[in-house]
Amino acid sequence: QVQVVESGGGVVQPGTSLRLSCAAPGLTFTNYGMHWVRQAPGKGLEWVAVIWYDGSKKYYADSVKGRFAISRDDSKNTLYLQMNSLRVEDTAVYYCARDGYSGTPGDFDYWGQGTLVTVSS
Amino acid sequence: QSVLTQPPSASGTPGQRVTISCSGSSSNIGSNPVNWYQQLPGTAPKLLIYSSNQRPSGVPDRFSGSKSGTSASLVISGLQSEDEADYYCAAWDDKQRVVFGGGTKLTVL
Repeated sequence: QVQVVESGGGVVQPGTSLRLSCAAPGLTFTNYGMHWVRQAPGKGLEWVAVIWYDGSKKYYADSVKGRFAISRDDSKNTLYLQMNSLRVEDTAVYYCARDGYSGTPGDFDYWGQGTLVTVSS
Repeated sequence: QSVLTQPPSASGTPGQRVTISCSGSSSNIGSNPVNWYQQLPGTAPKLLIYSSNQRPSGVPDRFSGSKSGTSASLVISGLQSEDEADYYCAAWDDKQRVVFGGGTKLTVL
């Protein structure tokens, strides 16, 4: 069973920064689009950001644009999410997810187990 | 407010057929394939249907999907107790984002 592991979550104060990582030994990220998706406590899924398979394009949800940055290091098979100027409403479980085979973003065939980010004063 | 619209809840008895709808617009479902996810309590979502009507390996054929215009549906035939979960539809939107439905909580009575 392939495991995708996010790390870097924790409890932080509003206005501070955090960097999440996502790694998957045994599962290649190379040549696949990679995403971050979050889920606030008791709420539904919210897409956060995508980075194209070759890193050439990055898109963000309006709610995080200008504050979050997605990046990837294919040599380490690792995805990142740099989160700055964190707000209380950013509190959520953050999942990384890999695009599947359809060729259109959004068919996430692998998900991590999620890492909890709590923003609270 | 989610971009894609799903009913918040659905229910059925074991063996029944249940349909979950997902409504969008021309910029998402109308022009891109739909994907469905199942999320069991306390776990990460799992891909159930991709490209509107394709099942990944290992997903039982009791699950099927369809799309027409700006709407899509997930059908679960022969409902089982282990199908009790939250279900989400998702699609790529031409505004360069993935959009999700608000989720449907399925209860097996």
